[in-house]
Amino acid sequence: DGGITQSPKYLFRKEGQNVTLSCEQNLNHDAMYWYRQDPGQGLRLIYYSQIVNDFQKGDIAEGYSVSREKKESFPLTVTSAQKNPTAFYLCASKTSGGAGDTQYFGPGTRLTVL
Amino acid sequence: GENVEQHPSTLSVQEGDSAVIKCTYSDSASNYFPWYKQELGKRPQLIIDIRSNVGEKKDQRIAVTLNKTAKHFSLHITETQPEDSAVYFCAATSGGYQKVTFGTGTKLQVIP
Repeated sequence: DGGITQSPKYLFRKEGQNVTLSCEQNLNHDAMYWYRQDPGQGLRLIYYSQIVNDFQKGDIAEGYSVSREKKESFPLTVTSAQKNPTAFYLCASKTSGGAGDTQYFGPGTRLTVL
Repeated sequence: GENVEQHPSTLSVQEGDSAVIKCTYSDSASNYFPWYKQELGKRPQLIIDIRSNVGEKKDQRIAVTLNKTAKHFSLHITETQPEDSAVYFCAATSGGYQKVTFGTGTKLQVIP
């Protein structure tokens, strides 16, 4: 999982602003994911991408957008439409050869809306 | 879609005792079940996993069992140590799909 980086580590945003979280991997993984984690709760899937130029909504996609223009990059934009964006955001990746491949996580970005 | 339930949400054990965390899943097509450990403020780290063609897997003090008929799997930690204190997540993945569904997590506290 050392091959996945997220930036920034901490991010502060004013209400009404869009903000983009970066996720980069050098593991040559096809599939990439964005999860949201709230205090004391599990991981909820926002978006995932199985291949470049393709992505699918997860369970809580409203107020978020993604792009997958390069295999190694999967940025997440938190838009002003997301009503409660303060959370810990985790990016992950894995090979797409099969369901039994391990998912590796980045270090996370903690977003706080002021 | 897949639904994964995890119990208990919190678990306190004395150092040296065993800890058991249980998960159930709903999609009979799920065939891969990883377990992750997450320390406070850190990323989840894979600690053990099991595939549907196996009933049990061990790695030192950690073991996972899978009952496909009942659609449940469990994490067993023996001889617990204070450094085992963390939040543990189970997950399930369906074959042919890349979506991974996580349980809600179990906060394990090992009391010295």
